[in-house]
Amino acid sequence: NAGVMQNPRHLVRRRGQEARLRCSPMKGHSHVYWYRQLPEEGLKFMVYLQKENIIDESGMPKERFSAEFPKEGPSILRIQQVVRGDSAAYFCASSPLPGQGPLNYGYTFGSGTRLTVV
Amino acid sequence: GQQLNQSPQSMFIQEGEDVSMNCTSSSIFNTWLWYKQDPGEGPVLLIALYKAGELTSNGRLTAQFGITRKDSFLNISASIPSDVGIYFCAGPGSSNTGKLIFGQGTTLQVKP
Repeated sequence: NAGVMQNPRHLVRRRGQEARLRCSPMKGHSHVYWYRQLPEEGLKFMVYLQKENIIDESGMPKERFSAEFPKEGPSILRIQQVVRGDSAAYFCASSPLPGQGPLNYGYTFGSGTRLTVV
Repeated sequence: GQQLNQSPQSMFIQEGEDVSMNCTSSSIFNTWLWYKQDPGEGPVLLIALYKAGELTSNGRLTAQFGITRKDSFLNISASIPSDVGIYFCAGPGSSNTGKLIFGQGTTLQVKP
């Protein structure tokens, strides 16, 4: 009965490198949300994906960030050419239902990946 | 854009005391959620509120959905050391795609 699994838990990258963050949703969940949390702040929405589709990417930075949720395998958040300002905790949440309706908002978060750019 | 403002920003209380924190917005929300985040973990849902005026309890926690739909509060009674953490309010974003808007959090520390 695994929850939302994120890996790695901690990731250190040098400036200019690529970061790949993985999220395996709960079993039976086909909707995935990515959030970013800067130190001392709340979570900020980045992107909402269903299997093989990006539904809402209104919170994604225009450059260097991309996300996918393939038919098989985990969802991936990819950050190219990382900079110090990308250092944050990145959380994934999954849901079994489409992104509408009050009962859906209580979706389940993973434990996050803490990215440190040095 | 939509924003949620939480107060106080932080609280340092004695074990056994009651705690109250609130969340306000300039725009209407139709759902209010309260989450707790332990250090190094993701947020965990505590209480969900779906109707204006609704008062809901979960053990020692009680939350209310404001009548104006622009505010909510969370009370914790008889605090214990494991209540330490960051408490976030959240509500659905206007795009209706399931994304959440989070407040900046209230950090609670409990002195045994």
